[in-house]
Amino acid sequence: GESVGLHLPTLSVQEGDNSIINCAYSNSASDYFIWYKQESGKGPQFIIDIRSNMDKRQGQRVTVLLNKTVKHLSLQIAATQPGDSAVYFCAGLNFGNEKLTFGTGTRLTIIP
Amino acid sequence: DTAVSQTPKYLVTQMGNDKSIKCEQNLGHDTMYWYKQDSKKFLKIMFSYNNKELIINETVPNRFSPKSPDKAHLNLHINSLELGDSAVYFCASSHMAGHRGYGYTFGSGTRLTVV
Repeated sequence: GESVGLHLPTLSVQEGDNSIINCAYSNSASDYFIWYKQESGKGPQFIIDIRSNMDKRQGQRVTVLLNKTVKHLSLQIAATQPGDSAVYFCAGLNFGNEKLTFGTGTRLTIIP
Repeated sequence: DTAVSQTPKYLVTQMGNDKSIKCEQNLGHDTMYWYKQDSKKFLKIMFSYNNKELIINETVPNRFSPKSPDKAHLNLHINSLELGDSAVYFCASSHMAGHRGYGYTFGSGTRLTVV
């Protein structure tokens, strides 16, 4: 079955530095990947997505990289700010069963 | 405000009780979901409904019964609550056709504590 997981459970980054959050997946049938941000007491919020036929997508201060050869996904956040402190999840979607499968999450802490 | 709203935000109850969590979305989405987040922050889908029809039932115990009176509402009823049911439950909605991450919206969660 689908399995999406993260390498590191916690990550601390100095404010202003760039951060990279990694995610590994085992099911190559995923059509689509999404990164979510969850702040304390809130639900997951969409950050950025990428189709499985792409290897890079950029948003505002965020970039997602997909390496299908090694089944690896990463989220890069540039010039981190205190408001970036949160738990970040990757999720994979298979269009066939329409089910979103989440990874275990990484807690990102921005140090002022 | 356009959103997915769920009530209550906090729910503390004793083992064996029956409780319900309500969810409503005003985004015009045709699909709604219930997710469970455990103490380790792991999020897992429980159910999904598309236009009031059950689409996904992720082998959840039958003590959990979702009900969708219309496509804007998806409620979750839990019978005979157990300690292991303690978690945060998130409602979400999206468009089924073209199910895409950017349209997938979560509520703010209901923290259920069973004592």
